[in-house]
Amino acid sequence: SAVISQKPSRDICQRGTSLTIQCQVDSQVTMMFWYRQQPGQSLTLIATANQGSEATYESGFVIDKFPISRPNLTFSTLTVSNMSPEDSSIYLCSVVTTSGSPDTQYFGPGTRLTVL
Amino acid sequence: KQEVTQIPAALSVPEGENLVLNCSFTDSAIYNLQWFRQDPGKGLTSLLLIQSSQREQTSGRLNASLDKSSGRSTLYIAASQPGDSATYLCAVINDYKLSFGAGTTVTVRA
Repeated sequence: SAVISQKPSRDICQRGTSLTIQCQVDSQVTMMFWYRQQPGQSLTLIATANQGSEATYESGFVIDKFPISRPNLTFSTLTVSNMSPEDSSIYLCSVVTTSGSPDTQYFGPGTRLTVL
Repeated sequence: KQEVTQIPAALSVPEGENLVLNCSFTDSAIYNLQWFRQDPGKGLTSLLLIQSSQREQTSGRLNASLDKSSGRSTLYIAASQPGDSATYLCAVINDYKLSFGAGTTVTVRA
């Protein structure tokens, strides 16, 4: 398995501001993803974080709102830009590792964001 | 677009009873299916991964089955304990991207 950490674990932000969430993995991974879980709902995939190139976004998500970086195999950031209360969610990163159970996807502990 | 449905949405059982959680999906051309557990305010813990070529997977008290042709998976938890109280999510995997159901919230009463 993989040990995944996210920073911050939670934050309360004012509308119109931006927040950058970090995801760090303790081993090399093949793939990294960012998901959003809105209150009372299940998880929705935002994008695939590609190492050294632009992220691949799912329908309904755009780079200007959710810029993503992945400078190396073990680290990625997600920025939530120009926030509104509708962005209040838990944001989770997930990874597929090169070791352990093949194809199993592991999730970080999440970042709980509240936008006032 | 893949639609994943979990029934029931909530379940309350006395300790010791076996749990049966259902997951259905609309597109049978899946790669894998994974079951997760989520505790309140926490991230996801992977329980079982079933590859598309497999019919079931077992880990301790947990057993998950997969029937691709009918678009169904079932998670069985034997001899439930209060510590099993959580939300259980199934996710269908295609090209490493997960499509989640809404989850089944389980309460095991002591």
